[in-house]
Amino acid sequence: QLVLTQSPSASASLGASVKLTCTLSSGHSSYVIAWHQQQPEKGPRYLMKLNSDGSHSKGDGIPDRFSGSSSGAERYLTISSLQSEDEADYYCQTWDTGIRVFGGGTKLTVL
Amino acid sequence: EVQLVESGGGLVKPGGSLRLSCAVSGFTFSSYSMNWVRQAPGKGLEWVSFISSSSSYIYYADSMKGRFTISRDNAKNSLYLQMNSLRDEDTAVYYCARDLLSGAGLFDFWGRGTLVTVSS
Repeated sequence: QLVLTQSPSASASLGASVKLTCTLSSGHSSYVIAWHQQQPEKGPRYLMKLNSDGSHSKGDGIPDRFSGSSSGAERYLTISSLQSEDEADYYCQTWDTGIRVFGGGTKLTVL
Repeated sequence: EVQLVESGGGLVKPGGSLRLSCAVSGFTFSSYSMNWVRQAPGKGLEWVSFISSSSSYIYYADSMKGRFTISRDNAKNSLYLQMNSLRDEDTAVYYCARDLLSGAGLFDFWGRGTLVTVSS
């Protein structure tokens, strides 16, 4: 069964960096994922597509502060030079034939 | 500019029906697969349904099968979700989302959502 696992919460200080993790279920370590950001009271926003080799392509207008990387079944989203507007929920998402799957989301608090 | 605008949400009683629409602009709608995704109050994102560009392929999440019907009208640049036999747990903001053109089932643009409240 295709499952994405995320930690419920994370925090980091203004100006610092944070690395969020999304883990693919067993047998699915080669899957491509997407990262999405949802700021409070807003709809989600596509950040990037992230491949198993760590290569990624970002959505329109996504700042260079956002980057992605991969290691085995883990997919990472790194946000550097944290700003207050980065405080949001972050979701990873993937797919297989007939289904699309979201992780449970990570709530990022900028201190 | 790519835009997806949902409408049709509102208050409906359990067992009732509602039809959501998503009007798109800024891209060639007929070339893209589309999805509906929902988010219950205070909860995460939940995929609802997928429809391919020509409506040849349609998929639903298990909890929606038999109750929800996705459709599209490429001439009208519109996506629809017919929801029947609504339950309290269907209360959520419903978003339409566009698939990447490359064929990967990842979403690259989202609407702002429309709120559906199921309550007696």
